[in-house]
Amino acid sequence: LAKTTQPISMDSYEGQEVNITCSHNNIATNDYITWYQQFPSQGPRFIIQGYKTKVTNEVASLFIPADRKSSTLSLPRVSLSDTAVYYCLVASREDSSYKLIFGSGTRLLVRP
Amino acid sequence: GAVVSQHPSWVICKSGTSVKIECRSLDFQATTMFWYRQFPKQSLMLMATSNEGSKATYEQGVEKDKFLINHASLTLSTLTVTSAHPEDSSFYICSGRTGSEKLFFGSGTQLSVL
Repeated sequence: LAKTTQPISMDSYEGQEVNITCSHNNIATNDYITWYQQFPSQGPRFIIQGYKTKVTNEVASLFIPADRKSSTLSLPRVSLSDTAVYYCLVASREDSSYKLIFGSGTRLLVRP
Repeated sequence: GAVVSQHPSWVICKSGTSVKIECRSLDFQATTMFWYRQFPKQSLMLMATSNEGSKATYEQGVEKDKFLINHASLTLSTLTVTSAHPEDSSFYICSGRTGSEKLFFGSGTQLSVL
């Protein structure tokens, strides 16, 4: 199983760009990297997924270097409503079924 | 994205009773469903993985006789907490996989055992 490591918490201000980096040194060749957002008392919500290089959607960008041992979630111009916990996951296939194991996540606080 | 409906959102029960939590994939067929538990200020902990029509696979330390999982169809999985005790109080979350590496999560169930 690929284990992920993220900063426990980050602080930012409204309008800033926030970059959260996740380390996954043992990522396997077929693994994808997925980021989720979770608000209190809610289930996680999918943000973005990638395999290599760069992926961008309407809410975020995901940067993955060539060795794929890390990834960076980039949130452009954050707002107060982006205050949440962000999880980086690596999809691992074991015994023909995927097991998505959550790491500690990064608690992002956006200040006015 | 795909929608996973989880009910109830919260439940309070007496110690010793059983509680059933339902998880439905509304617009996709979930060949695999995962059940997680989350304590306050902590990350999600995977409890078990269930594939439609087969027995669930439980993570180490999770009692399969206490947390009964049924995945009888491609759109429904249930978690029954049997003989619940206060230490079972937690936030339970289900998720379904569409066949890719992407998961869609239910809104969670807050269980409080008195």
